Amino acid sequence: GENVEQHPSTLSVQEGDSAVIKCTYSDSASNYFPWYKQELGKRPQLIIDIRSNVGEKKDQRIAVTLNKTAKHFSLHITETQPEDSAVYFCAPPDSMLTFGGGTRLMVKP
Amino acid sequence: SQTIHQWPATLVQPVGSPLSLECTVEGTSNPNLYWYRQAAGRGLQLLFYSVGIGQISSEVPQNLSASRPQDRQFILSSKKLLLSDSGFYLCAWSDRSGRISYEQYFGPGTRLTVT
Repeated sequence: GENVEQHPSTLSVQEGDSAVIKCTYSDSASNYFPWYKQELGKRPQLIIDIRSNVGEKKDQRIAVTLNKTAKHFSLHITETQPEDSAVYFCAPPDSMLTFGGGTRLMVKP
Repeated sequence: SQTIHQWPATLVQPVGSPLSLECTVEGTSNPNLYWYRQAAGRGLQLLFYSVGIGQISSEVPQNLSASRPQDRQFILSSKKLLLSDSGFYLCAWSDRSGRISYEQYFGPGTRLTVT
């Protein structure tokens, strides 16, 4: 399957700061790049995704950027809030997903 | 609208006992279906996926098996549980065609503790 690496594995930021999580992949034919958020004890849910025909997509405080040449895509969260604390997963393209190892984001008030 | 159900929500089973977890999807047809396991504080491990009735692909060799007896029903089973089978089991579905989205929709999960 797709080889996916996600960094960092844990990230602690102060409320109001920005957070960036990066995911690298190996399949150059990939064309869909999603990010999922999993709050403690709950199911993962899609928060943002991007297709390969664009380089960046924003939705309020979150954004995803894609660098197809370097084969990585990143999640950006600005003005972080305590409710952003969760585990974030990237997933490689296409419908058979093998998720990255996850990043535990902790936002300190 | 589409919904996905899993049961039971929690389960405590002794080592060596059998297991059956069920997942059903409503409001869609011909979905891709998936079983994941998540150990405490760890990532999502894909166990099985299915693109149709009776079509099961295994990602990880182990003492678990999966079946899809109906289009919107996915079952995870084991004949003899191991301690290492403890975890949070998540079922998910996605639109097979991918024309709309490749998003995966997860069920509420089953928390399994093997004692």
